[in-house]
Amino acid sequence: SQQGEEDPQALSIQEGENATMNCSYKTSINNLQWYRQNSGRGLVHLILIRSNEREKHSGRLRVTLDTSKKSSSLLITASRAADTASYFCATAGNQFYFGTGTSLTVIP
Amino acid sequence: KAGVTQTPRYLIKTRGQQVTLSCSPISGHRSVSWYQQTPGQGLQFLFEYFSETQRNKGNFPGRFSGRQFSNSRSEMNVSTLELGDSALYLCASSLEQGSIYGYTFGSGTRLTVV
Repeated sequence: SQQGEEDPQALSIQEGENATMNCSYKTSINNLQWYRQNSGRGLVHLILIRSNEREKHSGRLRVTLDTSKKSSSLLITASRAADTASYFCATAGNQFYFGTGTSLTVIP
Repeated sequence: KAGVTQTPRYLIKTRGQQVTLSCSPISGHRSVSWYQQTPGQGLQFLFEYFSETQRNKGNFPGRFSGRQFSNSRSEMNVSTLELGDSALYLCASSLEQGSIYGYTFGSGTRLTVV
């Protein structure tokens, strides 16, 4: 079964707006990772945050992790049409589980 | 450097047949994992290989098997194909076992069972 649940399932925004996706998980983790998948393609690793970290930045991406609430969020600032994709969180503990994904559409 | 290479990209097989998918990891990566992705079930972990040994296995029937060679290349085999095996099969490689550094994924093999 899936370890992570993502919210929302789908998100549609205008270019230039910020996009926020949330991920909740069930068990203890070593790290949490975010991936992007363009339609029918492989996944691209975006960012990894360790369990002892609370926030991490990479370019226009900002990830937060709250291990007490077992949740993480991914913020994409100043979105672009090229950001249109599905975004998955993945938790690394005893096994590696992917969440259900958020489908992001950025309208030019 | 070259990314993760999966072959073939597309495959059509008949129910009852068997299929072998191939994955060449990034040079220097010793861990290879396999995932099945379907619209209904999402991304499901199949198994992980490290140093030619299966280190972790997901909840799939024994029809799904794999192996890893000494050069870290990996193959996945599915026997007695069922219609429900139609999916995108993704291979991912990593420097070490587990997911300490994050995975690099291939573009996948799209398997259609008819």
